[in-house]
Amino acid sequence: EAQVTQNPRYLITVTGKKLTVTCSQNMNHEYMSWYRQDPGLGLRQIYYSMNVEVTDKGDVPEGYKVSRKEKRNFPLILESPSPNQTSLYFCASSSWGTGAGQEYFGPGTRLTVT
Amino acid sequence: SQKIEQNSEALNIQEGKTATLTCNYTNYSPAYLQWYRQDPGRGPVFLLLIRENEKEKRKERLKVTFDTTLKQSLFHITASQPADSATYLCALFNTDKLIFGTGTRLQVFP
Repeated sequence: EAQVTQNPRYLITVTGKKLTVTCSQNMNHEYMSWYRQDPGLGLRQIYYSMNVEVTDKGDVPEGYKVSRKEKRNFPLILESPSPNQTSLYFCASSSWGTGAGQEYFGPGTRLTVT
Repeated sequence: SQKIEQNSEALNIQEGKTATLTCNYTNYSPAYLQWYRQDPGRGPVFLLLIRENEKEKRKERLKVTFDTTLKQSLFHITASQPADSATYLCALFNTDKLIFGTGTRLQVFP
């Protein structure tokens, strides 16, 4: 089954404690991205990657890091989380080469930073 | 500035009626526009894509129009059902990424 998986699904942590949210896709997609979703602000892109070892900032990259060492994985790293990073996070992938452009989203990770 | 606007107020309609949701944008020239459905606490799910040279696209009970002159897309659900209740997001493809609107919540009541 084609899917994007994220772990963990729920995470409560404290300010300053480094964390990583994993993302993996099994569709051999070149393009992967991370979004955060907040009430009234919608989905905002954090980082994206056009292919292995190619990453770029989205609209709200401050406080986040990513890496793309393998095509299927795109982890999101919060080196020093702060309460304003409390949000619902989604990983997504797509294959721009097909021209379809639709994004496949993971189930989401609800992060609370206290 | 660039903006994508969807009606933030919920749309409440009766089962069997046609629901029409609006997506307006400014200062973009998107090659294509997409619509997604999102249920509470879940990731968005792709519904339809329409290209700039297409006026209309249909899929079962769904219809999307794209007017690049008005900078507007309309999303229609005909013969709506309570199971259609969800938030619907429009998204524009701009340069190398998708830009999402904030979504409109649709509530279909029996």
